[in-house]
Amino acid sequence: DQQVKQNSPSLSVQEGRISILNCDYTNSMFDYFLWYKKYPAEGPTFLISISSIKDKNEDGRFTVFLNKSAKHLSLHIVPSQPGDSAVYFCAARSDTGRRALTFGSGTRLQVQP
Amino acid sequence: GAVVSQHPSWVICKSGTSVKIECRSLDFQATTMFWYRQFPKQSLMLMATSNEGSKATYEQGVEKDKFLINHASLTLSTLTVTSAHPEDSSFYICSARSQSSGELFFGEGSRLTVL
Repeated sequence: DQQVKQNSPSLSVQEGRISILNCDYTNSMFDYFLWYKKYPAEGPTFLISISSIKDKNEDGRFTVFLNKSAKHLSLHIVPSQPGDSAVYFCAARSDTGRRALTFGSGTRLQVQP
Repeated sequence: GAVVSQHPSWVICKSGTSVKIECRSLDFQATTMFWYRQFPKQSLMLMATSNEGSKATYEQGVEKDKFLINHASLTLSTLTVTSAHPEDSSFYICSARSQSSGELFFGEGSRLTVL
């Protein structure tokens, strides 16, 4: 049972435009959400996170939106740059127990110059 | 920033042999380390949670006798894949939680290929 889902395996956008990556979750115990960027044969790199008490968090070109009622979050990258091309993973955890991350299946973003 | 180092970054071994992967937190102490596995074009799947000085907690479906985890110190956890088979070929990633800040940091990953 996939508790964190990224339904779009890939996304292609033009340089300078907005990239929107989506993520849905089913476990209502999740209260902290993270986005990671990953290149092949490398570990994930943390990008941005959001706590369930917020609905938006912004860091430079990256903004994460959280809709708790819909159990949905999204990562907006604007403006998109060719260097943003990578696989983006959504992850979630509960603040109790082991606090291990549960990852989505990833979305491959390709930013075209 | 904090660094987590994995070694080796890639390894090729023969079927039936055992392979050990190390995960080190270089500039912080980690009471908890997590081991993930990623198959091509798939998600990172949690294999086990490793706590310093105690037995690891394995996720459902992960064979603890096959994937031996040792967390002997606050800066080192090891994953040993015993009697490896081609289906164990995967990308193994560790993450370590800082004892002081609670932040989570990922290693660079280790690619295992079993022939």
